[in-house]
Amino acid sequence: EPEVTQTPSHQVTQMGQEVILRCVPISNHLYFYWYRQILGQKVEFLVSFYNNEISEKSEIFDDQFSVERPDGSNFTLKIRSTKLEDSAMYFCASSEPGGGGETQYFGPGTRLLVL
Amino acid sequence: QKEVEQNSGPLSVPEGAIASLNCTYSDRGSQSFFWYRQYSGKSPELIMFIYSNGDKEDGRFTAQLNKASQYVSLLIRDSQPSDSATYLCAAEMNRDDKIIFGKGTRLHILP
Repeated sequence: EPEVTQTPSHQVTQMGQEVILRCVPISNHLYFYWYRQILGQKVEFLVSFYNNEISEKSEIFDDQFSVERPDGSNFTLKIRSTKLEDSAMYFCASSEPGGGGETQYFGPGTRLLVL
Repeated sequence: QKEVEQNSGPLSVPEGAIASLNCTYSDRGSQSFFWYRQYSGKSPELIMFIYSNGDKEDGRFTAQLNKASQYVSLLIRDSQPSDSATYLCAAEMNRDDKIIFGKGTRLHILP
């Protein structure tokens, strides 16, 4: 069964450093999402991406964040200057066109720890 | 602000009994509703989705939607210890839209 993959599974970084979280969505999917979950809190939407541009972004997704689809398979989330409060689990998701949330598949996540 | 509200629990249910999980949502325009299961440290896993008022059954799971009351529920029949997890209720306004999650209800099935 196709699945969304994410690398790395864990990332530890110093405050102020840049991090890039990588995702490989399911191959025929066209909608891509990043969510995050701070420990003990709810899953929060960050950004959605379609047709090589951002469809929607949340208040959390400020100028420190950016997304990119550098090639036909990868979808990345970059945090330019990490803060302590960026420590969270980051989930990538993808969905097929017109599929809706029932086809939004989540990757296993990247646990980011900012020291 | 669109919100999805859930009781955080924990909800303890004896093995073999019915577990009932509830959720309310604030945005009357929400169209689709989802129940995800999340084990500790893992990603959300979709269990059920529902669009229409009424009940939808899938195996041991039944989702119920009441749009007038803005209320969604999930029933788990014949609860098993492996059902112990956090259950996330979520809503979506339109297809391909973001999903708004509740904080989740921790369910503990007592052997």
